[in-house]
Amino acid sequence: EAGVTQFPSHSVIEKGQTVTLRCDPISGHDNLYWYRRVMGKEIKFLLHFVKESKQDESGMPNNRFLAERTGGTYSTLKVQPAELEDSGVYFCASSQAGRNTGELFFGEGSRLTVL
Amino acid sequence: QKEVEQDPGPLSVPEGAIVSLNCTYSNSAFQYFMWYRQYSRKGPELLMYTYSSGNKEDGRFTAQVDKSSKYISLFIRDSQPSDSATYLCAMRLNNAGNMLTFGGGTRLMVKP
Repeated sequence: EAGVTQFPSHSVIEKGQTVTLRCDPISGHDNLYWYRRVMGKEIKFLLHFVKESKQDESGMPNNRFLAERTGGTYSTLKVQPAELEDSGVYFCASSQAGRNTGELFFGEGSRLTVL
Repeated sequence: QKEVEQDPGPLSVPEGAIVSLNCTYSNSAFQYFMWYRQYSRKGPELLMYTYSSGNKEDGRFTAQVDKSSKYISLFIRDSQPSDSATYLCAMRLNNAGNMLTFGGGTRLMVKP
């Protein structure tokens, strides 16, 4: 069974450009999460989808970030326009419906470098 | 002040040693406590999950939670070079779904 896959693994863009990160959760997982780790900081929650609905987006830093999960399958996280402080590793995670045991299955992350 | 404090290390031990990893936290409302392991360039993977105070053992790993002291620990017995990784503690509130609050991680190196 395939795990959580993220694309791209690394993206280098200039300040002001747009980047879209994609996450494919484990098949059948209704819950999808975005977390990120900026340099020198801990991993922080961004938002949570249940199927196609945003359950909690309290961690989204500002309106330059837009997350979607059309059809309740894969998700995209768009940063527009990107700023230097957006550099970091963006992790996607998924879990089964009703499983709130902390068992999130993480992808390998998308590393974003904004120059 | 960070909600969850974790010594970044690195912690270097010889193979076979007992390893103790710790986190302290400030929010007494946290109810669920987890330890994740993260290898270089990989995503975190869940090692241990504990609800409230107490101990939990799984093979060479033991997780302890002391809510009165706001202190959690992970012990690794008979450590192996394959245990070399970053260990992240994480915790969440009772009704917070899987919105986890992470510590910064401790880098562990087990030398053969």
